[in-house]
Amino acid sequence: EDKVVQSPLSLVVHEGDTVTLNCSYEVTNFRSLLWYKQEKKAPTFLFMLTSSGIEKKSGRLSSILDKKELFSILNITATQTGDSAVYLCAVASGAGSYQLTFGKGTKLSVIP
Amino acid sequence: GAGVSQTPSNKVTEKGKYVELRCDPISGHTALYWYRQSLGQGPEFLIYFQGTGAADDSGLPNDRFFAVRPEGSVSTLKIQRTERGDSAVYLCASSPQGRNYGYTFGSGTRLTVV
Repeated sequence: EDKVVQSPLSLVVHEGDTVTLNCSYEVTNFRSLLWYKQEKKAPTFLFMLTSSGIEKKSGRLSSILDKKELFSILNITATQTGDSAVYLCAVASGAGSYQLTFGKGTKLSVIP
Repeated sequence: GAGVSQTPSNKVTEKGKYVELRCDPISGHTALYWYRQSLGQGPEFLIYFQGTGAADDSGLPNDRFFAVRPEGSVSTLKIQRTERGDSAVYLCASSPQGRNYGYTFGSGTRLTVV
């Protein structure tokens, strides 16, 4: 059974701090790894990673994948209160690669 | 439409009742997915449509759950004889084709079975 584990499950930081969120996975026939931000109900797409060692970056957020060690990290620098959300990691696997297996998420709270 | 629209946003029903949850995908998206998210968990896959047909319904938990997409656009998730364990947020997503990139989620329907 495919498995995605995120850590920590929750995190409280002060504005301006840098955070690193972790995602490890065990899946058969890995295709890609995705990060989503969930503020209320709708997860919104952040990154998709398919190749090891290539950093994806968007503003203060960046992510990298290690396919040998089966993990990914999501970094957020200079955190703001608007970064408060649940960050979900998901893995696409299988021939069709349409089905995502999600972790439980990391709840990030950024306090002023 | 501009995004994936789900209705109702909240639904409270009594145990044993039948419910229907609606999803209106982004115009032109051929692939549509239903996921279920219980409290404190990540979303779990239920069913995937490519066009009008259910290409993969392996995530439906039992035969009380059924979904249709008769014209290849709007989809309805139907739950019969609801149980308290069915309480969750039901998320719908669509994409231009059956691949995980371009996945756009709706805001979900929060179902509470009392």
